Amino acid sequence: DTAVSQTPKYLVTQMGNDKSIKCEQNLGHDTMYWYKQDSKKFLKIMFSYNNKELIINETVPNRFSPKSPDKAHLNLHINSLELGDSAVYFCASSQGDQVGTEAFFGQGTRLTVV
Amino acid sequence: GENVEQHPSTLSVQEGDSAVIKCTYSDSASNYFPWYKQELGKGPQLIIDIRSNVGEKKDQRIAVTLNKTAKHFSLHITETQPEDSAVYFCAASNVDSSYKLIFGSGTRLLVRP
Repeated sequence: DTAVSQTPKYLVTQMGNDKSIKCEQNLGHDTMYWYKQDSKKFLKIMFSYNNKELIINETVPNRFSPKSPDKAHLNLHINSLELGDSAVYFCASSQGDQVGTEAFFGQGTRLTVV
Repeated sequence: GENVEQHPSTLSVQEGDSAVIKCTYSDSASNYFPWYKQELGKGPQLIIDIRSNVGEKKDQRIAVTLNKTAKHFSLHITETQPEDSAVYFCAASNVDSSYKLIFGSGTRLLVRP
């Protein structure tokens, strides 16, 4: 069973379009995240949700809107896509109420904006 | 905020040799330091972690050391194998006040057969 699954794995779209990436975790975790990995492999947190509540927003443009319908899902919607949005986006989850717990990552969604 | 620096950016070793990757962090309140391995086309996967109340931790061929005074921690891989080839990331977090991991810039390890 896949612990953290995100779809699609690849996404190619034109500038100006709106797209969504879905994420689901079956680990029973309370906390979910979105990370962005750029072409130089640098991983940076974008958002964090704990029990469906937004707790971290790392100055991400408001074209990016996360939605958490329940604590097992955290979807990422991106409006008006720009070339600079091309990256690999990773969803992750952890049991956020325990000290120093492992974050489990999905396989990533490679977004290419043309 | 926290800043994590990681060196080297690339590391090439002969199979059987040891590999060492070093990280420094800036926030003295950070108390959790995981290491992640990322293989091509996959998400990062935890390989070992250490908390600030421990100086060293070992798991088979992998060990991590932490120097809180100097604010640096290191990953040691002994008897390297070709399947150890991947990108390794260190990270730091203050799990008492934040749910986020701040990652280093990654080290691409190549183990030559």
